[in-house]
Amino acid sequence: NAGVTQTPKFRILKIGQSMTLQCAQDMNHNYMYWYRQDPGMGLKLIYYSVGAGITDKGEVPNGYNVSRSTTEDFPLRLELAAPSQTSVYFCASSYLGTLGNEQFFGPGTRLTVL
Amino acid sequence: QKEVEQDPGPLSVPEGAIVSLNCTYSNSAFQYFMWYRQYSRKGPELLMYTYSSGNKEDGRFTAQVDKSSKYISLFIRDSQPSDSATYLCAMYTGTASKLTFGTGTRLQVTL
Repeated sequence: NAGVTQTPKFRILKIGQSMTLQCAQDMNHNYMYWYRQDPGMGLKLIYYSVGAGITDKGEVPNGYNVSRSTTEDFPLRLELAAPSQTSVYFCASSYLGTLGNEQFFGPGTRLTVL
Repeated sequence: QKEVEQDPGPLSVPEGAIVSLNCTYSNSAFQYFMWYRQYSRKGPELLMYTYSSGNKEDGRFTAQVDKSSKYISLFIRDSQPSDSATYLCAMYTGTASKLTFGTGTRLQVTL
């Protein structure tokens, strides 16, 4: 199993450009998440999904959009990139069950907006 | 007040030392407690997972939960340079899908 994969690893965007961060998992997890991590700020939840076709906002959703058409994939769309979106983005997945919510993380995408 | 407080460090210890990492929380609904380890430029990976108060041991790592004080700890015995990483605590109520993370404590184990 590859686990959670993310592409690209690095990206530099100009202000106003758009891009999609890709995330895929092969563990048949029902829940998927997008976080951003800024230095000294911990992980902030952007969006999450409880299954294909169902998404919901997290703490910091402004400037982002998501979709989930399949169990495996959960892309994050940035429209009109701004310097405040410079961050490291992590995708995670979990199988929510009686054992709780163990989340598995991808390797991250490091995004710089100039 | 943040729901979860964690000292950001950095914490520097010599090899072989016992390390204590801590988080406090304010939401009494948290039932599940986790510790994630994050190496530089990598994604977090789950290290320990506990439910309810008490201790859980896994090799050199011990997770401790005190719900009455709303305080959790991670102890690392015989610390190694390979333990140098950022350690994040995370909590979950059991009735919602979202984890609440601490900001992380950066640990450096020196030779």
